[in-house]
Amino acid sequence: DTAVSQTPKYLVTQMGNDKSIKCEQNLGHDTMYWYKQDSKKFLKIMFSYNNKELIINETVPNRFSPKSPDKAHLNLHINSLELGDSAVYFCASSRQTGSGNTIYFGEGSWLTVV
Amino acid sequence: SQKIEQNSEALNIQEGKTATLTCNYTNYSPAYLQWYRQDPGRGPVFLLLIRENEKEKRKERLKVTFDTTLKQSLFHITASQPADSATYLCALVAVEAGKSTFGDGTTLTVKP
Repeated sequence: DTAVSQTPKYLVTQMGNDKSIKCEQNLGHDTMYWYKQDSKKFLKIMFSYNNKELIINETVPNRFSPKSPDKAHLNLHINSLELGDSAVYFCASSRQTGSGNTIYFGEGSWLTVV
Repeated sequence: SQKIEQNSEALNIQEGKTATLTCNYTNYSPAYLQWYRQDPGRGPVFLLLIRENEKEKRKERLKVTFDTTLKQSLFHITASQPADSATYLCALVAVEAGKSTFGDGTTLTVKP
């Protein structure tokens, strides 16, 4: 069984469109994350949720809005997509944030904005 | 400003040799340091964690050291194999910040 699953895996869309990426974890973790990995492989945290509450928001444009309907799900909605949003977006989860617990990553969602 | 640097973007070594990857940081006081492996087209996978009060940790052919004075961690793969070829990421965990911050990775290629 996949521990952290995200969909879609590939997404090609035009500038200005709105798109969502869904994420689910079946590990029973309290904390979920969204990371962005750019073309230089730099993995940067965007958001962190603990028990459905936002605890980290790392200077991400307002066009990005995470939503956590329950602690097993963390979706990412992006409005008015721009070329610079093209990247790989990773959903992840862990037992607790900031305590050295292992972070389990999904397989990534490749977003290409044209 | 805070910075995490991993040695050269790419590291090429011969099969059987020991690969040594470095992770240097400035303006951090991490409580933990983790190493992850990322294969092309996949998400990072956890390998090892070392705490600030630990000098060394081993797991099979992997060894991690953590020197909080030098602000450096070394990641060694002994008897390297082509299957070890991947990108390796270090991550610093500062408890007060409540998050893990990743380095930019080193891509290791082990040639047969």
